[in-house]
Amino acid sequence: DVKVTQSSRYLVKRTGEKVFLECVQDMDHENMFWYRQDPGLGLRLIYFSYDVKMKEKGDIPEGYSVSREKKERFSLILESASTNQTSMYLCASSSSLRGSGRNYEQYFGPGTRLTVT
Amino acid sequence: AQRVTQPEKLLSVFKGAPVELKCNYSYSGSPELFWYVQYSRQRLQLLLRHISRESIKGFTADLNKGETSFHLKKPFAQEEDSAMYYCAPSGYSTLTFGKGTMLLVSP
Repeated sequence: DVKVTQSSRYLVKRTGEKVFLECVQDMDHENMFWYRQDPGLGLRLIYFSYDVKMKEKGDIPEGYSVSREKKERFSLILESASTNQTSMYLCASSSSLRGSGRNYEQYFGPGTRLTVT
Repeated sequence: AQRVTQPEKLLSVFKGAPVELKCNYSYSGSPELFWYVQYSRQRLQLLLRHISRESIKGFTADLNKGETSFHLKKPFAQEEDSAMYYCAPSGYSTLTFGKGTMLLVSP
């Protein structure tokens, strides 16, 4: 069974704090993703990574950065948290067949509900 | 621009009634199409993908390239189908999720 774990289920931070959200997967997947999930807006991709030390911006990267130093771990960083970053953050991972352009199933973590006050 | 539209935020039906959750997409190339589901207090998970042409939990989805639609259907809804459903076409590396449709099945 693929397992994607996230470091915290709930997190409360103050405006201006630096926030780290950690995600670990145990299936040797190449691709990892960070989304935020908001009511009425669905899931929006923040960043993704297709290999160690590689990253690509998603649809809403502003205010976020990421780090992928090891294949199994993908971190989302909020450099200076703001109240509009209060949200549910979902991490996902997937395998991919290099060069085929095909996508394989994304496996999701349980989510981290971040509140910025 | 790549776009996916799920026109209904909420779909409420009675148990045993047919269900159709609509999904329309605007995508360059030939995307793969997926439906993901999130049950209460559970993580988001894949329900089905169009290339598999399979039925999962009684749900099917037909890709209509002419209408660029990928509607999810079930002939007889069950209470345990109550969940949030997301349509997601895929590009080269990523998925684009719709805003989701909440399905409520009442007894």
